[in-house]
Amino acid sequence: DVKVTQSSRYLVKRTGEKVFLECVQDMDHENMFWYRQDPGLGLRLIYFSYDVKMKEKGDIPEGYSVSREKKERFSLILESASTNQTSMYLCASSLAGGRTEAFFGQGTRLTVV
Amino acid sequence: AQKITQTQPGMFVQEKEAVTLDCTYDTSDPSYGLFWYKQPSSGEMIFLIYQGSYDQQNATEGRYSLNFQKARKSANLVISASQLGDSAMYFCAMREGDGGSQGNLIFGKGTKLSVKP
Repeated sequence: DVKVTQSSRYLVKRTGEKVFLECVQDMDHENMFWYRQDPGLGLRLIYFSYDVKMKEKGDIPEGYSVSREKKERFSLILESASTNQTSMYLCASSLAGGRTEAFFGQGTRLTVV
Repeated sequence: AQKITQTQPGMFVQEKEAVTLDCTYDTSDPSYGLFWYKQPSSGEMIFLIYQGSYDQQNATEGRYSLNFQKARKSANLVISASQLGDSAMYFCAMREGDGGSQGNLIFGKGTKLSVKP
């Protein structure tokens, strides 16, 4: 079974802190994604990576950065957390190619206070 | 511009009846794929069904089928014989191109389906 693991299920951080959300997949997938999910807004793509060290901005990259130094790991970084970044964060991975579905992690509920 | 539109924020259906969840999309790429996911209250994202832009037939997976109308750019999900366990959020998604740097996956805002006993 494909497994996508996010490092934390729940996280509480203070405003201004640097926050790292980690995601690891075990199926040698080329593509990895970070989404944020808010009620009524669906899943919004923050960043997408299609290879090691390669990244593309999604719809809402402001306030976030990403790192992909190894194929299996994709990190989302909040340089200076703000309360409007309180949300559910979902990581996903997939093989390259248009026909393949993405597999999701369990999500990280981040609260910034 | 919104690429995936789901116009039904919430829907109700009677158990054992069929239900259609709407999805329209916008792309100028001739090669694309359309996906439907289910998210129950537990939060996990479950892949349901896929339709490729070049597929000649509508996709089917068990009780799920996709009503693909390419000219109208619509990809509606049909659930037959609804069950109580079908109550969940349903998301339509699209991937443009054939992979590589084009492989990002864009989602709609979702439809919350409630199945009544």
